[in-house]
Order: sequence, then structure tokens, then C-alpha cells
Amino acid sequence: AQRVTQPEKLLSVFKGAPVELKCNYSYSGSPELFWYVQYSRQRLQLLLRHISRESIKGFTADLNKGETSFHLKKPFAQEEDSAMYYCALWGRSNYKLTFGKGTLLTVNP
Amino acid sequence: DVKVTQSSRYLVKRTGEKVFLECVQDMDHENMFWYRQDPGLGLRLIYFSYDVKMKEKGDIPEGYSVSREKKERFSLILESASTNQTSMYLCASSLQGRPYEQYFGPGTRLTVT
Repeated sequence: AQRVTQPEKLLSVFKGAPVELKCNYSYSGSPELFWYVQYSRQRLQLLLRHISRESIKGFTADLNKGETSFHLKKPFAQEEDSAMYYCALWGRSNYKLTFGKGTLLTVNP
Repeated sequence: DVKVTQSSRYLVKRTGEKVFLECVQDMDHENMFWYRQDPGLGLRLIYFSYDVKMKEKGDIPEGYSVSREKKERFSLILESASTNQTSMYLCASSLQGRPYEQYFGPGTRLTVT
């Protein structure tokens, strides 16, 4: 069974501070991991995927297979980063995208 | 620009009513999905479809059914609505070759009283 755990329901930081949203996964196979984001009153949208190894809006995420983690990081948080963030795992065998329960990030001025 | 639309933003129904939630996408995507989103529970997959007239159960299909008669349209049906089905329902679509890159609709907030 595939599982995604986001241990923090809420995360609050000040503008300019570093931010890390944690994600751990359980999957028997080679994982494909993603971060989705939902800004206030907007649709859920894909933020980034591990395989592309790109930085989107200053965010990066590295897949650590040894620790089964895919934490999302940004060195300097901005107020517009305030949103709900979901980590997700794609299971090739069952064609399902399994989401974590989400972390609500608040960046204070 | 991918557009996924859902028939209603807000819906209020009574217990026992049959409820239809409609989703339409305009990008010729093969895959379509229905999720429910609840605080503290995240998104949970109800049903998905990878082709017209095809459907697969997700993680929480009980109390729901779906219909996909046309490629662009995917309907979620609550046969007999119950109060525990009060939730935000999200529809999504994706290409066959990139099934994990899902485009979401705005959601339907359903309240069952």
C-alpha cells in the first residue's frame, strides 16, 4: 500500500525566514513524488515534481530514498507563499495519486 | 490553458436525495478523477476513469457511482445522499501519458442536511 505522511497540519513562519514542509512516503517500488499547492480561493495546482529537479517560485524538493522523504524547501518565505500544500505520490501499479493530508503554511509579515 | 469546470460551486441537498455532480474538461484529456477534500483528511480518491465508459474505484467509492459517456464529461452520482457526504468535491483531468499531472476544477461544496 502507498502512503504519504505530512506530519505538520499547520506551519507558521515570518517573511524572509526559511521554510521546510515535511513529507514522508511509503511505497514498494520506485516512487514518483509531487507537491501540489492550493492558494486561497484558487484551484489546486501542481507545484513541482521530483523528477524534474527544478525550482518553482523559489521552492525545491529533493527525493531522499534512504529516508523516504520529499521535503519542500524555500530559503526565504514570502507572504504570497501562504497556502495549503499537499505532497502526493503516484503509484504506477494502481494508477492512483495518493495525497497527504496537507500542511497549511502561513507566512506572517 | 486547461479548463476543468464543475456544474455548481455550492449545492445543498436533503438526506436521501439523488445528487449529480458534473465535470467537464476541454483539453481532450483521457483521464478524469473525482476526489473529496475534507479538513484534516486531505484529498481522497472516489473514482477515476481512463477512457470513455471505463471506470475504476478509488479509495472511498462506497455510496458513490460515476458515469462517463463522453470523453469530456465525468459525472459523480450520490445515489442517496447522507450527511457524511457533506464535503468539497474536486474533479480533475490529465493526459494518458502524464496521469499524475492533474488539472483540477474549482470544486463543488456539497452540504447534505
